[in-house]
Amino acid sequence: GAVVSQHPSRVICKSGTSVKIECRSLDFQATTMFWYRQFPKQSLMLMATSNEGSKATYEQGVEKDKFLINHASLTLSTLTVTSAHPEDSSFYICSARGRAGAYGYTFGSGTRLTVV
Amino acid sequence: QKEVEQNSGPLSVPEGAIASLNCTYSDRGSQSFFWYRQYSGKSPELIMFIYSNGDKEDGRFTAQLNKASQYVSLLIRDSQPSDSATYLCAVNLDAGNMLTFGGGTRLMVKP
Repeated sequence: GAVVSQHPSRVICKSGTSVKIECRSLDFQATTMFWYRQFPKQSLMLMATSNEGSKATYEQGVEKDKFLINHASLTLSTLTVTSAHPEDSSFYICSARGRAGAYGYTFGSGTRLTVV
Repeated sequence: QKEVEQNSGPLSVPEGAIASLNCTYSDRGSQSFFWYRQYSGKSPELIMFIYSNGDKEDGRFTAQLNKASQYVSLLIRDSQPSDSATYLCAVNLDAGNMLTFGGGTRLMVKP
């Protein structure tokens, strides 16, 4: 089945630093990648959608200059949290979707970000 | 009105019983429907998806879709303690669109 590898699984960083999270589709081409954020005891909130080779589309209220998304290839997308602050501490999850006809949305294992 | 609604629970069922999880959605144009299971601290894993009205069975799981009433449900037969998790309902408008998630229902299966 489709596998999405997400790294790192956990990261602790100091306030003001940047953190990069990687998502790789291992056995399929991810034409679309979705990035979600989940706070404790809440559901997934979509942050942005990226299609390979084009700029990401951000949801309302998500700062595109703070959450940089790159989807340069069909197997790799990255989310960089710039100038992280404690309120950015959350569980970040990517989800990849393949070409038309591949209706499944496969999730990465998630990244627990703690900003201290 | 939220686009996808679920009762947050917790829904508590005894081991071996049938757990019934429900989800309603607001957009009549919704095309496909997904059920995910999420254990605490983990990312969601797909249980089932359904596109057509009626029932779809996969092992102990049955998804039921009623587009006229705009609800989708998930039945878990012979519930096990390992089924204790949060179940997320997700909906999308078409194959190219994003998933919209409900808030999730926490299921507790007691031995």
